[in-house]
Parts: sequence; C-alpha cells; structure tokens
Amino acid sequence: EAQVTQNPRYLITVTGKKLTVTCSQNMNHEYMSWYRQDPGLGLRQIYYSMNVEVTDKGDVPEGYKVSRKEKRNFPLILESPSPNQTSLYFCASSPNTPTSPLHFGNGTRLTVT
Amino acid sequence: AQKITQTQPGMFVQEKEAVTLDCTYDTSDPSYGLFWYKQPSSGEMIFLIYQGSYDQQNATEGRYSLNFQKARKSANLVISASQLGDSAMYFCAMREGSTGGFKTIFGAGTRLFVKA
Repeated sequence: EAQVTQNPRYLITVTGKKLTVTCSQNMNHEYMSWYRQDPGLGLRQIYYSMNVEVTDKGDVPEGYKVSRKEKRNFPLILESPSPNQTSLYFCASSPNTPTSPLHFGNGTRLTVT
Repeated sequence: AQKITQTQPGMFVQEKEAVTLDCTYDTSDPSYGLFWYKQPSSGEMIFLIYQGSYDQQNATEGRYSLNFQKARKSANLVISASQLGDSAMYFCAMREGSTGGFKTIFGAGTRLFVKA
C-alpha cells in the first residue's frame, strides 16, 4: 500500500530535550516536506526537500532541522524543543510537479512542556 | 507574494443541500495548481480535487467540483448533496510550478458542519 508513515503519532516532551519525528514514504517520490498546523493558521511549511541531499527552508524553519540521506526518509529534528513548538506536524511527499497533490502522513501531535 | 485566503472560518449546511467554500489566491506564477484537502476530526489530510492554471474546464470529482475563475483568482469548492460525513475542516492550497521548490501553501481552512 502506497503510504507516508510518520512516527510517533503522539509525543509529550519537556523543554530542551532533543527529539526526532520520523517520516518514510514508499512511493519513490522526489519531493518531501514538513508542515506544522496551528489553529487559525492552516498548514505552514517548515522544510522541504526536492531530492536526496537537497533540502531548503520553508516559511517557519527556526528551531528545526531536517536531513535527506535516502529518498524514502525525511526526519524532522528538534534540537532543543520549546513550548511554542507544540503543534500538529505533518510530513508529506509527492513527485516534483505542480500538478501533483501531496500525500500526507497521519500527523504527529507534539506537546512541549 | 503567493497567498491563499479562505474567508469563512465556519459554515453550516443542511444535509442533502449544496455548499460552496470560498478560496481566493494570489500568485505571479503563470503555472500553478490549486488543490482542496479535507481534514476530518480524526486528523488525516485527504486530497479531494485538483485544478491546473491552464485547464479550460472546471474540475469535478464525484460530488466535488471546483469553480475556477482565473481572472478573479478564485477557486471555490462546491460540495453537492451534503452528507453528515462531509463535516470536516477543508483547506484550499496552491502549488506553483515555475518558481523553485514546488512549494505548496495553504489557506487557514473552513470548518464545515452538516446538519441532519
């Protein structure tokens, strides 16, 4: 089954404790991206990658890191989480075309206390 | 700068009636795609319908249609014969083609409530 797999689904952590949210897709998509969803703001792009070893900042990259060592994986790293990073996070993938919809993971609800 | 605006934070519709969710966009890129996604209370994002900037006809997918008015830069979603299962958050999104990154931006969303 074609899918984007995010883990974990729920995560509660404390300020400053490094964490990684994993994302993997099995559709051989070139494009992968991370979004955060906050009430009233829709989804905002954090980072994206158009292919292996190619990553770039989205609209809200501060406090986040990503890597794209393999085509299928695109982990999101929070080196020192803060309470303002409490949010719902989505990983998404697609081919590199403007006509392609994004395929989303099921989301990770992160709470930073 | 690219932008998506959804002006209806919440909408109510009676079951079996049609409803229109508004979306306006702004871009200087001649090549772009417009998308609608549905987010039910379970949280997943579901792709509904796509319209390309060069498409001459409005897109349709089952009970969903997209009212594309290019000159007005609007891409409204029409849901016909609403069902209780249509109650969800709906996001309009745009993906540009000529600029780098194939970036997709989203509107703030419209929460639809379908009444029995």
